[in-house]
Amino acid sequence: AQSVSQHNHHVILSEAASLELGCNYSYGGTVNLFWYVQYPGQHLQLLLKYFSGDPLVKGIKGFEAEFIKSKFSFNLRKPSVQWSDTAEYFCAVKTGSSNTGKLIFGQGTTLQVKP
Amino acid sequence: DTGVSQNPRHKITKRGQNVTFRCDPISEHNRLYWYRQTLGQGPEFLTYFQNEAQLEKSRLLSDRFSAERPKGSFSTLEIQRTEQGDSAMYLCASSLGQGPFFGPGTRLTVL
Repeated sequence: AQSVSQHNHHVILSEAASLELGCNYSYGGTVNLFWYVQYPGQHLQLLLKYFSGDPLVKGIKGFEAEFIKSKFSFNLRKPSVQWSDTAEYFCAVKTGSSNTGKLIFGQGTTLQVKP
Repeated sequence: DTGVSQNPRHKITKRGQNVTFRCDPISEHNRLYWYRQTLGQGPEFLTYFQNEAQLEKSRLLSDRFSAERPKGSFSTLEIQRTEQGDSAMYLCASSLGQGPFFGPGTRLTVL
């Protein structure tokens, strides 16, 4: 079955530290990839997405992600985190076998940034 | 506000009761999704509508669950004879084909 794995369940960083959250998926065909963020008390918001082209994707708030097809990965990065980045982060994949656009989500990573 | 809206935001019910949730998608979006999210997990797909047609249902969606989108605009999700295991956040999302936008969710608590 298709699945998405986020290896880090809970990450704690100090402000200005660099961030990398891992995301791996299991599907051998064409994929579209997404990162969503959920700030405390708010709904899921789209951070960035990859459909095709440049595998390095830039999103909002200084986040970026790199699609590495050979590793089935789409890791999220930010060079310098802020306290306001404290949130839960979800990686999601839409497989080429789905013509409905449904997303398969990872279990999420909770990021806590200490001021 | 032009985002996805959901009502009610919270629902507490007793086991065995029926509940209905409403989702109003972004107006021009023809695709509408329902997901369910439990604590510590990512959202799980429940069902998908393209306009008024329900084109896919997850195996998670038991016979007690039914969803409609009668005129291709708003959608409702009904759960009959609720069980404690139905307690979760029910999320609605809409899109035109790229990156669905999510609503705030309806948190269901079944006592």
